[in-house]
Amino acid sequence: GAVVSQHPSRVICKSGTSVKIECRSLDFQATTMFWYRQFPKQSLMLMATSNEGSKATYEQGVEKDKFLINHASLTLSTLTVTSAHPEDSSFYICSAAGTSGRAEQFFGPGTRLTVL
Amino acid sequence: AQSVAQPEDQVNVAEGNPLTVKCTYSVSGNPYLFWYVQYPNRGLQFLLKYITGDNLVKGSYGFEAEFNKSQTSFHLKKPSALVSDSALYFCAVRPPHNNDYKLSFGAGTTVTVRA
Repeated sequence: GAVVSQHPSRVICKSGTSVKIECRSLDFQATTMFWYRQFPKQSLMLMATSNEGSKATYEQGVEKDKFLINHASLTLSTLTVTSAHPEDSSFYICSAAGTSGRAEQFFGPGTRLTVL
Repeated sequence: AQSVAQPEDQVNVAEGNPLTVKCTYSVSGNPYLFWYVQYPNRGLQFLLKYITGDNLVKGSYGFEAEFNKSQTSFHLKKPSALVSDSALYFCAVRPPHNNDYKLSFGAGTTVTVRA
């Protein structure tokens, strides 16, 4: 149980385009979802926290107009990278939490974004 | 504010030998502590957690960790390492009264198990 999926797993796009990444909790309802960014061989950098039906809370230094987060239901959150540039290329990971009785976050497999 | 330290960037062991990955934390109160493992180009997989109760916690794939309050440590251990244990390991902490599930992660430790 507690499976989280991400789609797509890998995306290559041209500079200036927007990219949407989906995060789904497949077998549980997540009250809270998180979006992270990870650079090679480094730790996770929390970008934002989203709760179903409310606006996301962004970490300091993260541009909310560039990284749009929507948490439309208890099983789906989306991250849209708007007007992507090569410096946005990274590994993006989502996680979900809030299933009853479990204190940990459950992570998706990640999305590799490459902006040309 | 809470923080987590993983003092070793890399740990190298021979297959069959004991494996220890160190983690120390700084947080007020009794924290929730977690270990995750990440394989290349994958998300994090949950290994184990300490919430309360027995200080020795057993988790997935034969891993265990011991909560030591006096030393503020939560070292990950495996009695006999496998080559397949080679991966990036993260320790994480969450304050006990934090209801938003937010975690603070250590910098990660790369484990290499040689055959």
